[in-house]
Amino acid sequence: GAGVSQSPSNKVTEKGKDVELRCDPISGHTALYWYRQSLGQGLEFLIYFQGNSAPDKSGLPSDRFSAERTGGSVSTLTIQRTQQEDSAVYLCASSFSSGGDTQYFGPGTRLTVL
Amino acid sequence: DAKTTQPPSMDCAEGRAANLPCNHSTISGNEYVYWYRQIHSQGPQYIIHGLKNNETNEMASLIITEDRKSSTLILPHATLRDTAVYYCIVRVATKGGSNYKLTFGKGTLLTVNP
Repeated sequence: GAGVSQSPSNKVTEKGKDVELRCDPISGHTALYWYRQSLGQGLEFLIYFQGNSAPDKSGLPSDRFSAERTGGSVSTLTIQRTQQEDSAVYLCASSFSSGGDTQYFGPGTRLTVL
Repeated sequence: DAKTTQPPSMDCAEGRAANLPCNHSTISGNEYVYWYRQIHSQGPQYIIHGLKNNETNEMASLIITEDRKSSTLILPHATLRDTAVYYCIVRVATKGGSNYKLTFGKGTLLTVNP
């Protein structure tokens, strides 16, 4: 079946511009997660959505980062006024339900801020 | 979540079995052993998980010792496409709670040679 999809696969932007990254979770999965992975580093948790509950935003590194999940499906991660340190691969994952369910990842969006 | 220890790198000949070890001596009774892998420039891919019984699926087998302090991921017939970083993590796999933030260690870089 279809897995998690993300778009764009690559994004190059100039410092100071805003970017939007999109994630389509696996159909029927109620939980959605955003992580980022800097070059050679491990996963950094950003935000978690579960159904209609308030999201856990505890991992967002600054107020320039925000995310929405409309209709309980597609999610958009927005980074305003991008900085060079925002350059990373942004990964989206989804799971059937919450908590410790197995998370399935998308291919990621590679963001490069010049 | 309990900490894991994996060798930084391993080599395997194409067509042979790849046996990747993982130590998790501080694992708790309610923690599962999960394996993911990450092929260069791709998102993490779920492989398999287990609690105390050995598990097998179409990708791999997971052998967990009786005391649960270590486990081995077995790729029965490694191919060149199995070259990747393999991550062993232990986590509580329960509904709800705050145990959804995945963290990966350094993992094992498995290189399958022709």
